[in-house]
Amino acid sequence: AQKVTQAQTEISVVEKEDVTLDCVYETRDTTYYLFWYKQPPSGELVFLIRRNSFDEQNEISGRYSWNFQKSTSSFNFTITASQVVDSAVYFCALSGGETSGSRLTFGEGTQLTVNP
Amino acid sequence: GAVVSQHPSWVICKSGTSVKIECRSLDFQATTMFWYRQFPKQSLMLMATSNEGSKATYEQGVEKDKFLINHASLTLSTLTVTSAHPEDSSFYICSARRLLNSPLHFGNGTRLTVT
Repeated sequence: AQKVTQAQTEISVVEKEDVTLDCVYETRDTTYYLFWYKQPPSGELVFLIRRNSFDEQNEISGRYSWNFQKSTSSFNFTITASQVVDSAVYFCALSGGETSGSRLTFGEGTQLTVNP
Repeated sequence: GAVVSQHPSWVICKSGTSVKIECRSLDFQATTMFWYRQFPKQSLMLMATSNEGSKATYEQGVEKDKFLINHASLTLSTLTVTSAHPEDSSFYICSARRLLNSPLHFGNGTRLTVT
């Protein structure tokens, strides 16, 4: 079975601080995809990144960066110099192949609040 | 980029009535659409997987007679909540993908309130 764990339920930081959101996953699939989505108060899900299991290169996109460590089954997300507009719930998700039928499994989400 | 449109954005209905939610992929053909449910301050839970032209596959614990899903074309899937009750009040989100393991694109969600 697939499982995604986001141990941090809520995080509160002050603007301009860096913040890292943790994500740990479990899967029996050898081929899988990892995702991060942002859900602002309005409710829609905003796609941030997709990473496949064979690509362990870290990625940076502006103030966002992702650290994929297969050895520890983690896919952590860092926001550098956080801004108030970053306040949202962030979901890590996993989509597998062989055993999971490509279903997307979400973590419980981390509520990030960036205070001015 | 790919766009998924979900309608309505919010709906209030009386207990016992039925509500239909539409999910459309606007600029691509979606072989598969997924319906999720999200309670306040909780994660998204997959309700069912909808494949065009075939019956939906429901997750364990989801009543197929209560949550009717129809995927009649490659660009439209509908979720009908039949005989709605207050406990059905939730945020329903659809998502669609072109191909197996293509990125999922989500609609903006529908907030259902049953009074």
